[in-house]
Amino acid sequence: DVKVTQSSRYLVKRTGEKVFLECVQDMDHENMFWYRQDPGLGLRLIYFSYDVKMKEKGDIPEGYSVSREKKERFSLILESASTNQTSMYLCASRTGGPETQYFGPGTRLLVL
Amino acid sequence: QKEVEQNSGPLSVPEGAIASLNCTYSDRGSQSFFWYRQYSGKSPELIMSIYSNGDKEDGRFTAQLNKASQYVSLLIRDSQPSDSATYLCAVNAGNTPLVFGKGTRLSVIA
Repeated sequence: DVKVTQSSRYLVKRTGEKVFLECVQDMDHENMFWYRQDPGLGLRLIYFSYDVKMKEKGDIPEGYSVSREKKERFSLILESASTNQTSMYLCASRTGGPETQYFGPGTRLLVL
Repeated sequence: QKEVEQNSGPLSVPEGAIASLNCTYSDRGSQSFFWYRQYSGKSPELIMSIYSNGDKEDGRFTAQLNKASQYVSLLIRDSQPSDSATYLCAVNAGNTPLVFGKGTRLSVIA
């Protein structure tokens, strides 16, 4: 079974804090993705990575950065958290190409 | 701009009926098609994938793909209250990120 894990299920942070969200997959997948999901807006792609140390901007990268130092780990960084970054954050991975993508359980982030 | 369109619903069906969920996509080069189910507060889970025209059946679920008309559908037979969820259609054209629809909310009434 594919397993994608995320470091926290719930997180509460203050405005201006630096926030790290971690994602780990155990299936040697090349591709990894970070999304946020908000009511009425659907899933929006923040950043993705096709290989170690590679990253590509998605549709809404502003205010975020990512790091992929190891194949199994993809971190999302909020440099200075703001209230409009309150959201559900979802990590996903897949082998590559038009293959099935698997999601982690999600992190619900509240920025006060 | 690649787009995937779904009716947001809610789609309400009585228990035991067939639920029919539809999705259209804009990119003719799309190669793979997925249906995810998402319960409230949870992450999406894959229920069906389809890659070629026609029908693909898995238990109570049938995915249908028509590339000429650029639509993909999901049929759920013998709908149960536990099927009540949001269903996301996703489309992929090679080694690019999946393009998701915004989802259709299904409500199965007991």
